[in-house]
Amino acid sequence: EADIYQTPRYLVIGTGKKITLECSQTMGHDKMYWYQQDPGMELHLIHYSYGVNSTEKGDLSSESTVSRIRTEHFPLTLESARPSHTSQYLCASSEALGEQFFGPGTRLTVL
Amino acid sequence: LAKTTQPISMDSYEGQEVNITCSHNNIATNDYITWYQQFPSQGPRFIIQGYKTKVTNEVASLFIPADRKSSTLSLPRVSLSDTAVYYCLVDSNDYKLSFGAGTTVTVRA
Repeated sequence: EADIYQTPRYLVIGTGKKITLECSQTMGHDKMYWYQQDPGMELHLIHYSYGVNSTEKGDLSSESTVSRIRTEHFPLTLESARPSHTSQYLCASSEALGEQFFGPGTRLTVL
Repeated sequence: LAKTTQPISMDSYEGQEVNITCSHNNIATNDYITWYQQFPSQGPRFIIQGYKTKVTNEVASLFIPADRKSSTLSLPRVSLSDTAVYYCLVDSNDYKLSFGAGTTVTVRA
């Protein structure tokens, strides 16, 4: 069973607020990812990291930022939330080729 | 990233075998084929991965012909709990996976 955690699971927040979505994994994986997915739609990679102090932007442009100071921790931050940021955010990690382990996701609603 | 094409949806009944075919015409020599399953409001879960011929695990089988331009995920004797979205991905070992729209499989009683 994969040990990857995301908090909070649900977040409702007002426009303009700064938010941080937490993602932690206990598997010692070097590679971590953030995806964004609207209901019934495709997953889009928005950020990824190959290891500590490594962060890259994914295929979908996002106003969010990420950091990777520790191997196990890969938080995502929105400096000023907007209604267009309403979505589900999924964190994943991997070590071996092809197999990514996903967290339960954070469903964000910005009013 | 090699693009994949798979059916948007498939319907089946409990106890039947479900086969989902995925096309990946531009697959490169070093690419692997990987399938994920996703239930509503959850993250995707790895099902199976293969390079060529046939791979089988406790959940599914993956058939890959010699030219590797397509692959077929086979789910034996599906149950209602197999209703989910199934994604076919080509993994280029650059850690960036493209999930696409997936195939929504609906299993009916």
